[in-house]
Order: sequence, then structure tokens, then C-alpha cells
Amino acid sequence: DIQMTQSPSSLSASVGDRVTITCRTSQTIYRNLNWYQQKPGKAPKLLIYSASTLQRGVTSRFTGRGSGTDFTLTISDLEPEDIATYYCQQSYNIPYNFGQGTKLEIK
Amino acid sequence: EVQLVESGGGLIQPGGSLRLSCAASGFTVSNHYLSWVRQAPGRGLEWVSLLYSGGATYYADSVKARFTISRDNSKNILTLDMNNLRAEDTAVYYCTTYDWGDSYFDNWGQGTLVTVSS
Repeated sequence: DIQMTQSPSSLSASVGDRVTITCRTSQTIYRNLNWYQQKPGKAPKLLIYSASTLQRGVTSRFTGRGSGTDFTLTISDLEPEDIATYYCQQSYNIPYNFGQGTKLEIK
Repeated sequence: EVQLVESGGGLIQPGGSLRLSCAASGFTVSNHYLSWVRQAPGRGLEWVSLLYSGGATYYADSVKARFTISRDNSKNILTLDMNNLRAEDTAVYYCTTYDWGDSYFDNWGQGTLVTVSS
């Protein structure tokens, strides 16, 4: 199985800041990496697929980068609505594991 | 518009069985890849099972031989039969569609809570 290591587990930032979340996999997954946003009490929502492709309707403040084993999700110009937990997920091999999540709080 | 509505969750004793259903609208279940993803209280997301449009099925090791994913084309629903339930199966279970081309979980239901406790 492919192991996912997501960091940090939580972070606090101010409105207008830029934050970056990292996801590392235990073996190469090429660009088969997706990012989801989950707001409290809600189902997850797809933000980015194939490492860097923005899902339609998602603001361009979200940027995904990376390939191989190292990936990042960057949120620019942080807004209060970005309060959520963010998960990476590999789609290279079954089981389609998720990262442990990064809880984003606004200062 | 694609919509997924789960039902069937509840309180069940360890060792018991439960069937979850996911009513789909806006698309035909027989033509899509469908999946279940769960989330234990206060924990992260865990992929559970996947059903290909062709009928192949896949399971996480943690549920293999206990859970069965299937679909009812006449009712346009996805189901998850869960047997020999354990406390660690306690979670919100989400039904999702899976885009096989770009490989992601795109549409999600609101989830149904399964609590395994005596």
C-alpha cells in the first residue's frame, strides 16, 4: 500500500496570508494526486485533481504542484471561508489512501 | 444535477449487520464507478470500497470479507452490506462517484452515521 504523509497536521494563519500544505507518498504516484476540502459537518469537496488541475468552479486561489512523491497545495490570499480540513489522496493504486488531513484555522 | 443521498445508518451491536443505501439521481449508476468512503468521529477519511461500472469490486483490507458493495440498476441505488461489524467501523459513510478518467472522487453524498456499540 502507498503511505501518505501530510503536513502540517494543523496551521493557523491570518486573512490575506499564503499557506502551503505538503503531501508526501511512500512511492512514486506520478501525478495521481488529488486535494479535497472538508468544512465542519460537511462532505469533502474536490479542489484539485491530477496534482495541479483545478476542479471547475474552484477559486484560482488554490494551486496544486508536484509529481512523483512530493506535492503541495497552496492557498493564496486566505479568506475566512477557507477554514476547513484539507486532505490529499492518491489515485495511483488501490487502496486509494488519503493523507491524515491538515486543519486550517484563521487567526 | 448529480445527487447522492445515503440512508440506513444507525446504532448496531458488535457482530451485527447493516445495509447502507445510496440513492442516485442525475445519472445512471450502471454507467459509473461508485465508491464508499468513511470517516470515524474526529478522524480522517478512509476509502472503503469501489465498484466499477463493469462490475468489478475492490475493498480496503480493513473491511474485506465483511463488506459487500453492489448496485441495483432498477432502483438506481448503490448499497453496502456490512457484516460482523466492529467498534472500529463506527463512522460516517459517504457514497461517492469516481471519475475513472482523471481518477478522483467527484460527487459526494451527505453521509450516514453508523455507530457500532453495545
